[in-house]
Amino acid sequence: GAGVSQTPSNKVTEKGKYVELRCDPISGHTALYWYRQSLGQGPEFLIYFQGTGAADDSGLPNDRFFAVRPEGSVSTLKIQRTERGDSAVYLCASSLSGSGNTQYFGPGTRLTVL
Amino acid sequence: KNEVEQSPQNLTAQEGEFITINCSYSVGISALHWLQQHPGGGIVSLFMLSSGKKKHGRLIATINIQEKHSSLHITASHPRDSAVYICAVRSTGDDKIIFGKGTRLHILP
Repeated sequence: GAGVSQTPSNKVTEKGKYVELRCDPISGHTALYWYRQSLGQGPEFLIYFQGTGAADDSGLPNDRFFAVRPEGSVSTLKIQRTERGDSAVYLCASSLSGSGNTQYFGPGTRLTVL
Repeated sequence: KNEVEQSPQNLTAQEGEFITINCSYSVGISALHWLQQHPGGGIVSLFMLSSGKKKHGRLIATINIQEKHSSLHITASHPRDSAVYICAVRSTGDDKIIFGKGTRLHILP
């Protein structure tokens, strides 16, 4: 069956612009996670959804970052007034429910802020 | 100090060699994951462990809860095994997943 998909695969934007990154989880997975991975680093947790609600958004670095999952499936990560330091690969993962289940990762979106 | 440390950071080996990648952690955990990330590709979950040992094909993962240490072994390594291998733990304190920085493995033909 289809895995986790993310669009776009690559996004280049200018400093100060607004970007949206999309994640389509595996059908039926109620838990959805966003991570950010900078070059040479392991992934860093951003936010976790259980259904439509953000169960834990403590990893969002500041108020320029926001994520939604209005119908409990597709999620969008939104970044306002992008900065060069936001350049990274943004990874999405989903799991059947929350704690204790294997997370399935998408291919990531490579964001480059010029 | 990172809560999850991996060693080595980089490893180059010849095809056929037995590979060991180590992961040490300093927090209480409910589970440990080994993940594989190919260049330009997504992350694939290899194993989820809470105790003992698991084997899948040429891959073996072990965990020692008392020593807070896990190892990933690859037998009869092959160039297609070349990837970054990431150790991640789910901490019992806040239920978050904490990732190591990864081990970059390069298998030469």
